[in-house]
Amino acid sequence: QKEVEQNSGPLSVPEGAIASLNCTYSDRGSQSFFWYRQYSGKSPELIMSIYSNGDKEDGRFTAQLNKASQYVSLLIRDSQPSDSATYLCAFYNAGNNRKLIWGLGTSLAVNP
Amino acid sequence: DAGVIQSPRHEVTEMGQEVTLRCKPISGHNSLFWYRQTMMRGLELLIYFNNNVPIDDSGMPEDRFSAKMPNASFSTLKIQPSEPRDSAVYFCASRTGDFQPQHFGDGTRLSIL
Repeated sequence: QKEVEQNSGPLSVPEGAIASLNCTYSDRGSQSFFWYRQYSGKSPELIMSIYSNGDKEDGRFTAQLNKASQYVSLLIRDSQPSDSATYLCAFYNAGNNRKLIWGLGTSLAVNP
Repeated sequence: DAGVIQSPRHEVTEMGQEVTLRCKPISGHNSLFWYRQTMMRGLELLIYFNNNVPIDDSGMPEDRFSAKMPNASFSTLKIQPSEPRDSAVYFCASRTGDFQPQHFGDGTRLSIL
């Protein structure tokens, strides 16, 4: 079983819609979850951190963490063409807080 | 505040040459990470340092790769001799402490001919 899984996409949504990105992980003891956005040819950029169960909102972005079901999701409301990018989820492995475990990313395309 | 600074941004060189990539972490960050990113394998952690000390280099592909961190504000990743399969984007990242997010530099796009 892979440590982390993301749907590679591409996920295509119309402008103004809600984009929903999901990430599942295998290690129940994992903590400190992050969502990064990576534009083509650029470096990963941190957009959300979440450390406890529930929802965390920041502007148009909402991160949701469910440790019992071992998934973390990212919702983007009112999607804009500028949101078109690859979204990477990452988390720290239980017992090894220094190495981030990375998903391969989901490609999002927001169509005008 | 200045972010992670990497140089060069692009490097094109011939097989067999030595390549040196440089990184300056964010001031006050105590951990530094070197990654390689390819389409096929995604982000791969090569090595990381904590308080300038290498902690885990299990991701370094082979002996041709080496990394140093002589002080808190500078690190290098060297490839000698370089091979075409080393072509990738190399990122450096740093963080403030345990369980904290990592912040990335702009990366070095390396092409070995």
